[in-house]
Amino acid sequence: EAQVTQNPRYLITVTGKKLTVTCSQNMNHEYMSWYRQDPGLGLRQIYYSMNVEVTDKGDVPEGYKVSRKEKRNFPLILESPSPNQTSLYFCASSRAGTSGGRQFFGPGTRLTVL
Amino acid sequence: GEDVEQSLFLSVREGDSSVINCTYTDSSSTYLYWYKQEPGAGLQLLTYIFSNMDMKQDQRLTVLLNKKDKHLSLRIADTQTGDSAIYFCAETRGNFNKFYFGSGTKLNVKP
Repeated sequence: EAQVTQNPRYLITVTGKKLTVTCSQNMNHEYMSWYRQDPGLGLRQIYYSMNVEVTDKGDVPEGYKVSRKEKRNFPLILESPSPNQTSLYFCASSRAGTSGGRQFFGPGTRLTVL
Repeated sequence: GEDVEQSLFLSVREGDSSVINCTYTDSSSTYLYWYKQEPGAGLQLLTYIFSNMDMKQDQRLTVLLNKKDKHLSLRIADTQTGDSAIYFCAETRGNFNKFYFGSGTKLNVKP
């Protein structure tokens, strides 16, 4: 089954404790992206990647890091999480050259930073 | 999302048409999209329109684009209870890889 998986689905952590949210897709997609969803703000793009070792900033990259060492994986790293990073996070993937519009979204990771 | 605006709620009766509206401010928008989010799930692409088009129809869905007024709408004909969800409009601008989403419109369909 074609899908985007994220782990963990729920995470409660404390300020300053480094964490990684994993994202994996099995569709051989070139394009992957991370978003955060906050009430009243919709989705905001954090980082995206056009292919292995090619990443770029989205609208709200501060406080986040990403890496793309393999085509299927695109982890999101919070080196020193803060309470304002409490949010619902989505990973998405798509084929390149489709304007990225036909993105497949993961189920989301709900992160709480105390 | 601050440059893409949507009303927060819409309530309709089953069988009626729903019209969800969106305004955007960047005239360099290239593609405009409508996504659907059901409770506890990620987003699902419903349809999209290129900025040089005025209208696109896909079964029960009709997208209208007024580029002069920077207004995008999604009409759902014969709305069903299964259409209850949050609907997001989104745009990509000059860079096809950066996306900007509205805050979402929660559609409630009453039986």
